[in-house]
Amino acid sequence: GNSVTQMEGPVTLSEEAFLTINCTYTATGYPSLFWYVQYPGEGLQLLLKATKADDKGSNKGFEATYRKETTSFHLEKGSVQVSDSAVYFCALSARGANNLFFGTGTRLTVIP
Amino acid sequence: DGGITQSPKYLFRKEGQNVTLSCEQNLNHDAMYWYRQDPGQGLRLIYYSQIVNDFQKGDIAEGYSVSREKKESFPLTVTSAQKNPTAFYLCASSIQGGARETQYFGPGTRLLVL
Repeated sequence: GNSVTQMEGPVTLSEEAFLTINCTYTATGYPSLFWYVQYPGEGLQLLLKATKADDKGSNKGFEATYRKETTSFHLEKGSVQVSDSAVYFCALSARGANNLFFGTGTRLTVIP
Repeated sequence: DGGITQSPKYLFRKEGQNVTLSCEQNLNHDAMYWYRQDPGQGLRLIYYSQIVNDFQKGDIAEGYSVSREKKESFPLTVTSAQKNPTAFYLCASSIQGGARETQYFGPGTRLLVL
């Protein structure tokens, strides 16, 4: 079946620290992979995506590389800011399916 | 501005009452989706529609109903049969249905039971 396993939070970091949020997946075929961000009280915003193995998605200083050999799509940022505080969701879209499969989300809090 | 709008932002339901959540998009997207989000959990698919006048059940469709009479609108009705409706409801759309398409989300509606 299709599923996403995400690093449990919450994660608390100081400003300018390095961020990694782990995400691994199980899927039939070759899925597309996504990171979405949810700010308090809001809907989800697409942060980045990758559609095939070895693709790197990047946006706003965040990066994630589609690793087929380890079935992973870890989110990284070199220097986090207070404004990055949010919940981050890893998701996949599998061949033959019409919906996204989401991880449980990781809450990130960045303190000054 | 193109985007997805959901209304109301907060909705209160009394016991035995049906309520309808609105979702409108002006992105000219063919596919639309409804998800439910519970605290500390990921999103779960309720219903989706790939084209006007057609929709399919998702993983947790029981107690919900939808319609797709217009391309830009995909309202969700939470019926009295849904025994635990308190959640955050998110509507999304994509250019087309399918594995490679990016889904774009609205701001959500929070439903509370009185």
